[in-house]
Amino acid sequence: AQSVTQLDSQVPVFEEAPVELRCNYSSSVSVYLFWYVQYPNQGLQLLLKYLSGSTLVESINGFEAEFNKSQTSFHLRKPSVHISDTAEYFCAVSEGNSGNEKLTFGTGTRLTIIP
Amino acid sequence: EAGVAQSPRYKIIEKRQSVAFWCNPISGHATLYWYQQILGQGPKLLIQFQNNGVVDDSQLPKDRFSAERLKGVDSTLKIQPAKLEDSAVYLCASSLRQNTDTQYFGPGTRLTVL
Repeated sequence: AQSVTQLDSQVPVFEEAPVELRCNYSSSVSVYLFWYVQYPNQGLQLLLKYLSGSTLVESINGFEAEFNKSQTSFHLRKPSVHISDTAEYFCAVSEGNSGNEKLTFGTGTRLTIIP
Repeated sequence: EAGVAQSPRYKIIEKRQSVAFWCNPISGHATLYWYQQILGQGPKLLIQFQNNGVVDDSQLPKDRFSAERLKGVDSTLKIQPAKLEDSAVYLCASSLRQNTDTQYFGPGTRLTVL
C-alpha cells in the first residue's frame, strides 16, 4: 500500500530565504506525485505534479520539486520565499496504472514566513 | 468558472445525531471525491464517484456513513449516528476524469461532534 511521509510539521523561514519541504513516499509500483497547497482560509489547490517525463517540475509561483526514484522522494523547494507563501503544503501520491489511482496525502507541513 | 461548492460551512451536533453535507462539483467533472481531514492529518479519501457510480469506498465506515451522487452531478454525504471521532473537516473535490487529473477542492465543511 502507498504512503507519504512529511517529517516536518512546521517550517519557519525568513523572507527571501530558501526553503525545502521534504516528502518521502512508499510504493511498490510506479507513482504519480503531487504537491497541494492550502492558503489561510482557502481550499486545497494543486501546486505542481509529476506524472512522467522530466523529473523536475515547476509551479507558476517559483516552486519546484524533483522526483527522485532511488530515494523515493519528491521534495519541494523555492530559492527565495515571500510572505504570500505562508500556507500548509501537502504532498500526495497516487499509484500509477493500478486501475484506481486514488490519492494518499501526507500530514502536511505548515510553512511560516518571518518578515 | 465556478468552483466546487459545499454546504454548510460549519455544523455542530451532538453525538448520535445525524448530519448531511452537500457538494456541487465543477460543471462537466465526471469524478467526485469526499475526503475526511482530521485536525493535524492530511485528507483521507472516503469515497470516489465516477459519474454516479462508486469507484472506491474502501475507507468509508459503511455502518454509519453513506453517500450518493444523483444523476452524476451533486452529491450528499451523510453520517448517522455521529460519533465524537467524526469531528473533522469534510472536503469535496472533483476532477475531469481520473486521479491524474487535477482535483479541485471545495472550502470544506467543519463538523464538530459534542
